[in-house]
Amino acid sequence: EPEVTQTPSHQVTQMGQEVILRCVPISNHLYFYWYRQILGQKVEFLVSFYNNEISEKSEIFDDQFSVERPDGSNFTLKIRSTKLEDSAMYFCASSEVGQGNSPLHFGNGTRLTVT
Amino acid sequence: RKEVEQDPGPFNVPEGATVAFNCTYSNSASQSFFWYRQDCRKEPKLLMSVYSSGNEDGRFTAQLNRASQYISLLIRDSKLSDSATYLCAVNTPNTGNQFYFGTGTSLTVIP
Repeated sequence: EPEVTQTPSHQVTQMGQEVILRCVPISNHLYFYWYRQILGQKVEFLVSFYNNEISEKSEIFDDQFSVERPDGSNFTLKIRSTKLEDSAMYFCASSEVGQGNSPLHFGNGTRLTVT
Repeated sequence: RKEVEQDPGPFNVPEGATVAFNCTYSNSASQSFFWYRQDCRKEPKLLMSVYSSGNEDGRFTAQLNRASQYISLLIRDSKLSDSATYLCAVNTPNTGNQFYFGTGTSLTVIP
């Protein structure tokens, strides 16, 4: 069964540093997402991406964050100048179509620890 | 007001028991509903979609009650391997592509 893959599985960084989280969505999916989950809390939407542009973003997704699809397979989340409160699991997801008509398929996540 | 609410539990049930979880949503225009299972420190995995007429997949039954704005998940003949956190996810067309997740309901099946 095709799956979403994410790298690295764990990233430790110092406050103020930049990190790039990488994802390879399922190949025939058209919509890509980043969600995060702070330990013990719910899964929160960050951003959705379609047709090489952001289609929607949440309040969490401020100027510190950016996404990119640099080639035909990778989908990246960049966090500039990380803060302690950015420590969380970051999940990439993809779906065949948008508007909630197909479910999200999540990658195995990247655990980001900011020290 | 939270978009999606779940009883966090924990639900501790013996093997073989039947257990049910509910998930309420606030936006009456919500159209798409899903149940996910999440193991500790792992990604959410799709368990099943929830259809208007209700649907069943083996020991799992999902139902939608639009009038009262909740979805439910029923697990019959619980197995030890069912121990996990169960998340509901809701999408509302006028909010675009994002899904709102509940905080999850923790289930532990006891031998």
